[in-house]
Amino acid sequence: AQSVTQLGSHVSVSEGALVLLRCNYSSSVPPYLFWYVQYPNQGLQLLLKYTSAATLVKGINGFEAEFKKSETSFHLTKPSAHMSDAAEYFCAVNGMTGNQFYFGTGTSLTVIP
Amino acid sequence: GAVVSQHPSWVICKSGTSVKIECRSLDFQATTMFWYRQFPKQSLMLMATSNEGSKATYEQGVEKDKFLINHASLTLSTLTVTSAHPEDSSFYICSARKGTSGLEAQYFGPGTRLLVL
Repeated sequence: AQSVTQLGSHVSVSEGALVLLRCNYSSSVPPYLFWYVQYPNQGLQLLLKYTSAATLVKGINGFEAEFKKSETSFHLTKPSAHMSDAAEYFCAVNGMTGNQFYFGTGTSLTVIP
Repeated sequence: GAVVSQHPSWVICKSGTSVKIECRSLDFQATTMFWYRQFPKQSLMLMATSNEGSKATYEQGVEKDKFLINHASLTLSTLTVTSAHPEDSSFYICSARKGTSGLEAQYFGPGTRLLVL
């Protein structure tokens, strides 16, 4: 079975500060991991994905995530927060043979000017 | 790109009526589409997996007679909420996957907000 846990339902950072959104996964097979962003009243936009290639994955809008098998983590980071980064972020896992995405409960990011 | 559209973007209907929501993959063919439901401030809950040319696979607890899914072509899946009631009010989001491998990301539509009065 696959699942993801997002620690911290709400994260606030100052504009220009480091963004760190945490995601830990559980998977009985090598996982494929994804981060999505959702702006209010919109669908989800893919930020980045890990598919067993490089462990450090770079995505759009300056975000990146590092896959750490030993820690079963896939945390999302951005060196410098921008006001436009304020949104809901979801981590998701999909097993290699699975057809489903299992989403975390989401982390709401607030950027303080 | 991988663009998925949904129509309508929002709909208000009276209790007891049926509402159809369309999900289209605009620039790719999608053998598999997914329908999710999202309540305010919550994550997405998978309702069903829609496969082109075959019956949808529903998640446990989802009424297949209430939420009818049709995947008539490689670019179109529809979700019909039959005899809608106020508790069906929600944000419905579809997604489509380009290939059949779990390697592929899902691409999401912009969502449809349904309000049942």
